[in-house]
Amino acid sequence: DAKTTQPNSMESNEEEPVHLPCNHSTISGTDYIHWYRQLPSQGPEYVIHGLTSNVNNRMASLAIAEDRKSSTLILHRATLRDAAVYYCILRDPGLDDKIIFGKGTRLHILP
Amino acid sequence: DVKVTQSSRYLVKRTGEKVFLECVQDMDHENMFWYRQDPGLGLRLIYFSYDVKMKEKGDIPEGYSVSREKKERFSLILESASTNQTSMYLCASSLTPRDRREDEKLFFGSGTQLSVL
Repeated sequence: DAKTTQPNSMESNEEEPVHLPCNHSTISGTDYIHWYRQLPSQGPEYVIHGLTSNVNNRMASLAIAEDRKSSTLILHRATLRDAAVYYCILRDPGLDDKIIFGKGTRLHILP
Repeated sequence: DVKVTQSSRYLVKRTGEKVFLECVQDMDHENMFWYRQDPGLGLRLIYFSYDVKMKEKGDIPEGYSVSREKKERFSLILESASTNQTSMYLCASSLTPRDRREDEKLFFGSGTQLSVL
């Protein structure tokens, strides 16, 4: 499986945008980029995924670099409820029959 | 909303006991998964199943088995619990057929914290 690298932790102020980076320099042309997050005392939840183009949904935006070697999850206006561990995951749907989680980034939101 | 329900939030067992962790999903999902989560190690896949009565090993299947007799229920079995199986166990399900795996989204339960003494 291709690997991802994320910072162990980040801090952000409430009501400000948050940019969570993910490096994946060995990404292949068929790897999709998925993001999940895990709130305290809960299981992970799906956030967003994409292949090449930037993606938006009600939870977040995903910005993918042109060379696809990195991506950024953007929370447009962080709230205290966004404090969680965020996982960036690569998955080749043609090869990988399972989703492998790394260690993620722990996001702290400061009031 | 999809609901994935794990039978116990906290469980305490003794070494050598046989342990059953139950997981039920209510949205007719084909695929079900068992992960364990440990500090510093993240989530690791134990077993998964893409159909009734079928199972596949994940990355750490040793010491575990699974049962999927009905589509909605996926059980994780510890035949003889050991202290190194103390962990948070997370069940997940997904609907995506195997030919649309790029769009697969996992739905997780809240987890079972198992302590083996």
